[in-house]
Amino acid sequence: TQLLEQSPQFLSIQEGENLTVYCNSSSVFSSLQWYRQEPGEGPVLLVTVVTGGEVKKLKRLTFQFGDARKDSSLHITAAQPGDTGLYLCAGYNSGTYKYIFGTGTRLKVLA
Amino acid sequence: DAGVTQSPTHLIKTRGQQVTLRCSPKSGHDTVSWYQQALGQGPQFIFQYYEEEERQRGNFPDRFSGHQFPNYSSELNVNALLLGDSALYLCASSLFRRSTDTQYFGPGTRLTVL
Repeated sequence: TQLLEQSPQFLSIQEGENLTVYCNSSSVFSSLQWYRQEPGEGPVLLVTVVTGGEVKKLKRLTFQFGDARKDSSLHITAAQPGDTGLYLCAGYNSGTYKYIFGTGTRLKVLA
Repeated sequence: DAGVTQSPTHLIKTRGQQVTLRCSPKSGHDTVSWYQQALGQGPQFIFQYYEEEERQRGNFPDRFSGHQFPNYSSELNVNALLLGDSALYLCASSLFRRSTDTQYFGPGTRLTVL
C-alpha cells in the first residue's frame, strides 16, 4: 500500500518567516501535485512536478521533487496571512491510475 | 472555461437513506475521480471513472457506487447511509495521459447524516 506522510502536521508562524513542508513516501510516483485547501472548499492545484530533481517556483513558493521521485518539499519564503490553509501533496501512480494523498499540513500565518 | 462543478453544495440526510451527488468535469477532461474527506483529514480515494467505466476503486464498501455519462459528467451514489458517511465529497477531473496526470477539484458537496 502506498502511503504519503507529510510533516509537520501543524505549523503556526509569524508573518515574514520561512517554512518548509515535507512529503515522503517509500514508493515511486509518476508525478506529484501540491494543493492548498481552504475550509469547506475543494483543494486548489498549486503545481505538478514530474521529473526527478525538478524544481518549480510559484512566486514565494518553491516546490522540489526528489531525485528518486519518492518525496517532495514545499518551501514558502516570507509567509503571509494569505498563505494560511491546508497544504496537501498527492502522488500519482500511472500504473494504477490512483492518487495517494498525504496527511496534510495545516499552516497558520499570524499577522 | 468552466472548472469542475458539483451539486448540491450541502445535503442533510438521515441514516438509512440514499443520496446522489453530481459532478461536471472541467471542459476537455474525460476522467472523473471521487474522494471522501473527513474533517481534518486528507481526501480518501473512492473510485475513478474513465470511458463510462469504473477504472479503479479505493477501500470503500459496495454501498458507494457511481456512474459516468457520455458527456463525461458523473454521479456518486451512496446507499444505506451511516453516520460515518458524513464528510465533504470531492470530485476531481483530469485528461487521461498514461505517464502523468493532473487533477482539478470541484468545490465539494458537504453531506451530513443525522
